[in-house]
This record gives sequence, structure tokens and C-alpha cells, in this order.
Amino acid sequence: KNQVEQSPQSLIILEGKNCTLQCNYTVSPFSNLRWYKQDTGRGPVSLTIMTFSENTKSNGRYTATLDADTKQSSLHITASQLSDSASYICVVRPVRNQFYFGTGTSLTVIP
Amino acid sequence: NAGVTQTPKFRVLKTGQSMTLLCAQDMNHEYMYWYRQDPGMGLRLIHYSVGEGTTAKGEVPDGYNVSRLKKQNFLLGLESAAPSQTSVYFCASSYSKGDPYFGPGTRLTVT
Repeated sequence: KNQVEQSPQSLIILEGKNCTLQCNYTVSPFSNLRWYKQDTGRGPVSLTIMTFSENTKSNGRYTATLDADTKQSSLHITASQLSDSASYICVVRPVRNQFYFGTGTSLTVIP
Repeated sequence: NAGVTQTPKFRVLKTGQSMTLLCAQDMNHEYMYWYRQDPGMGLRLIHYSVGEGTTAKGEVPDGYNVSRLKKQNFLLGLESAAPSQTSVYFCASSYSKGDPYFGPGTRLTVT
């Protein structure tokens, strides 16, 4: 069964600190992987998209990594800000047109 | 561009009532989707459309109907609402291989 699992489920960090969110998937065959940020009460917004051949992709203070062999991805947030408080969702797309969503990691950044 | 808009933002229904959620996008996307998001679960696909006049079932289609009469609009109908349909509903749209763009969501409560 195609699955996307994220850890941790929730995370609290101090402003200015770094953190790493994990995504493990069993979706196959694999096309691409996306990380979305979802602010409370809003729709998800795309942060990065990575294809099979990409290992690392950055978007400002967000850096995503992908290991297609072990089917693992991570999202690293550098120098966290209060505005980073949100849910981060890993989304995997197989070859056909369908998306598999993780349950998300809820990040809270405190001053 | 307004992106993806959803109407209404909030709604409370009594069991057995019907309603229609409207999604509109101004990005000329071919694909449109309806998802529901429940606590502790990833976004789940209800129905989707790959073009005007075509619709298909997703992961959790029971109790819902959809129509795509115009390319820019995707309607989600609940004919006889049930408490199990209490959820946050997100519409999304994309090019065939692109990132889904999500709307702001509709929070539906069925009592």
C-alpha cells in the first residue's frame, strides 16, 4: 500500500534555532516529492518539488533533501522565525496522476 | 490573479440537508481536485477532474457528487449531509504535471 509517513508529529523550537522534519514513503513508482507549508486556517502552499534525480533543493531558509534509494526526504529549516509556525506536509506523486499526502508535522516556533 | 477561490468559507448544516461548494480558478489549469482534511489524517481526494466535462472518483467519493461544466469551476455537492462529512474541504487545481495550487478551504460542520 502506498504510504507517506512524517515525523515528528509535532515539534516546538525556539526562535532562531534549526530543525529537521522527516518524510518516509513507500509510493512506487516514484515521480516527484513536494513539501507544502500550511498555515492555520489556510490552504497548503508549495515550498519545494524534487524529482527522482535531485538530492537537494533550497528555497530560502528551507532546504529539502531526497534519497530515492531509501525513500526518505527531509525538510531542514534554518534560523527559524515565528512565521514558520505551521504544518508541513510531504506529498509524493507516483507516475500516474495521483498525490499521496502525509499527515504533516505541526511546527511551533516560540520566542 | 486570484488563484483558487472557494465559496463559502464556513457553513453549518443539519443532517440531511444539501449544499454545494464552489471552487473557481483563474490560472487556466486543466486539472481540478476536491480534498477533505480531517484531524490526524492526510488530505484525502474526494473527486477530481482532468478537463471540462470530465470527472472521476478519488479515494473517498461516497456521499459527494461533482460537476465541471466550465474549465474554471469545479463544484462539490452534498445531497444529504451526514455528521461524518464534518471536515475542512480544499479545492486545488494544477496543470497536468504541475504543483497543485490550493484554495483557502471551506470549514463544514454537520450537526
